[in-house]
Amino acid sequence: AQSVTQLGSHVSVSEGALVLLRCNYSSSVPPYLFWYVQYPNQGLQLLLKYTSAATLVKGINGFEAEFKKSETSFHLTKPSAHMSDAAEYFCAVSAFIYNQGGKLIFGQGTELSVKP
Amino acid sequence: DAGVTQSPTHLIKTRGQQVTLRCSPKSGHDTVSWYQQALGQGPQFIFQYYEEEERQRGNFPDRFSGHQFPNYSSELNVNALLLGDSALYLCASSLDGTVGTDTQYFGPGTRLTVL
Repeated sequence: AQSVTQLGSHVSVSEGALVLLRCNYSSSVPPYLFWYVQYPNQGLQLLLKYTSAATLVKGINGFEAEFKKSETSFHLTKPSAHMSDAAEYFCAVSAFIYNQGGKLIFGQGTELSVKP
Repeated sequence: DAGVTQSPTHLIKTRGQQVTLRCSPKSGHDTVSWYQQALGQGPQFIFQYYEEEERQRGNFPDRFSGHQFPNYSSELNVNALLLGDSALYLCASSLDGTVGTDTQYFGPGTRLTVL
């Protein structure tokens, strides 16, 4: 069975500082991993996804994530935080069954605050 | 190109009532999934519809049921509402959904409050 753990329910950084949001996964098969962002009172928007093509994945808004199999991690980073990055971030793993479709299993989320 | 749309935006019901939520998928998508997001939690998978049939189901009671129409739009029905059903209900659409790498595109959600 697949699962995702996000370390830190709340992360606070200063504007211009490095953003690091942690995600560890558990999967008995090669995982497909996703990062989504949720702004207040909105749905989820895909930031990036890992599909085994490359271990370093670049997404929108300057975010990227590195898949590390040995550490079962898929941490999200951004070199320089912007005020507009303040939101809730969710890591998810695709629990896919052949011919039966896939569901996303989400972590608990990490709320990112950006201080001016 | 319209994305995933959901209606209504907000809904207030009382315990024991029934509710129907609606979702229109992104253009060209044929698979619809529903998720429940309680306050401060990550979304939890309810079920997925493909070709008008429920293909996968999460750990939710039978009070939760759904339907997919020939135009791929979908409804989520919840009977005998409980206070614990208060949540943001998210609809997500994808293409085919038979590949684990498919991206699920989410709608803005319906906020259900049960009093």
